[in-house]
Amino acid sequence: IAGITQAPTSQILAAGRRMTLRCTQDMRHNAMYWYRQDLGLGLRLIHYSNTAGTTGKGEVPDGYSVSRANTDDFPLTLASAVPSQTSVYFCASSPGQGDHEQFFGPGTRLTVL
Amino acid sequence: GNSVTQMEGPVTLSEEAFLTINCTYTATGYPSLFWYVQYPGEGLQLLLKATKADDKGSNKGFEATYRKETTSFHLEKGSVQVSDSAVYFCALSKPGGTSYGKLTFGQGTILTVHP
Repeated sequence: IAGITQAPTSQILAAGRRMTLRCTQDMRHNAMYWYRQDLGLGLRLIHYSNTAGTTGKGEVPDGYSVSRANTDDFPLTLASAVPSQTSVYFCASSPGQGDHEQFFGPGTRLTVL
Repeated sequence: GNSVTQMEGPVTLSEEAFLTINCTYTATGYPSLFWYVQYPGEGLQLLLKATKADDKGSNKGFEATYRKETTSFHLEKGSVQVSDSAVYFCALSKPGGTSYGKLTFGQGTILTVHP
């Protein structure tokens, strides 16, 4: 059982380029999340999806978009990357509403130059 | 809005020392509280949780008690090991409505344990 996979593991990107971070889970969880992790700030929620076909904005959504075409996949797109988007990005999933544990992927380290 | 504040880090201890990492929160109503741990190069994983006042979460020798009167959820371990070296995150969740189980994290505390 893979759990949650993310790709790529790391990426260096020129400012202004478009980039999609991939996230796939095989646990059939309803809810999925994208966080960014920055030193001293902990993890901040970018976007979330309660179930396939729905998405919502988190704490820091600007410059990012997501889609949830099916249960398993939840890609995060940076339409035109900027240096302030340099961060480590984590995808997570949970069974659904309530106090369920969130399961995290291994992360993608993104550097925007 | 909701917020979580953790003690300033990093924390450096010798093996078998006692550990406390403070966590306080601000939230309306009755949030659920969590501690997540991130080992080097890995994603976060749940360490323990508590869903109502006075509940005690425990796992791998770590404990934390949900104290509503002091809005705190401090993490403790009686005797740390080198393998406990990691980043620890306190978090809260307000299920229901637009919050729908989303986590609000503290800034994280780096723990280093020396032999």
